[in-house]
Amino acid sequence: DAGITQSPRHKVTETGTPVTLRCHQTENHRYMYWYRQDPGHGLRLIHYSYGVKDTDKGEVSDGYSVSRSKTEDFLLTLESATSSQTSVYFCAISKAGTSGSYEQYFGPGTRLTVT
Amino acid sequence: GENVEQHPSTLSVQEGDSAVIKCTYSDSASNYFPWYKQELGKRPQLIIDIRSNVGEKKDQRIAVTLNKTAKHFSLHITETQPEDSAVYFCAASIDSGAGSYQLTFGKGTKLSVIP
Repeated sequence: DAGITQSPRHKVTETGTPVTLRCHQTENHRYMYWYRQDPGHGLRLIHYSYGVKDTDKGEVSDGYSVSRSKTEDFLLTLESATSSQTSVYFCAISKAGTSGSYEQYFGPGTRLTVT
Repeated sequence: GENVEQHPSTLSVQEGDSAVIKCTYSDSASNYFPWYKQELGKRPQLIIDIRSNVGEKKDQRIAVTLNKTAKHFSLHITETQPEDSAVYFCAASIDSGAGSYQLTFGKGTKLSVIP
């Protein structure tokens, strides 16, 4: 599982409230990613990080912000949750595979429901 | 940006038959093409990948082929078993080799293997 945990695993929140999801990794990987998964859309990249305090936007970044103050933690914040942000959120890391090239591995996911 | 199309969206095969899933990509600069398997309620798991310097890669019952000229790649599963039933996602990216790359996913194929 590449040492990735996500918290919370499930959350129900109301429209307009701020929400923070946490991704924690124990193997000191430099590169981390946040994706969302919705039926009919596959997985879409929200934000990613090259290292501490070094982040960039992905394909669907509107309404989301991220922070990475420590190598092991990558936080995703929904400033004011909307129903369109109801989704399953996956964190991922890049890790060298057996061939030496980098591969992405996913965390267990967080199911977020915005009512 | 990159666009990945995946077909078919659903596929049913008899146990023991072969299954083929096809993807096309739009950015000719893409050079890394992983495939993920996702069982219901679980995280996507990397099952095989291919880079643009090879045309085919095989791992037991799973193989992936790449046609750079046509910008398409395919997943082949032979001698299918019920445990192959899952949703399969293809993805494409530009991998500079430094460890960070942004995956663009297809929308997924739900494979059902009928015993």
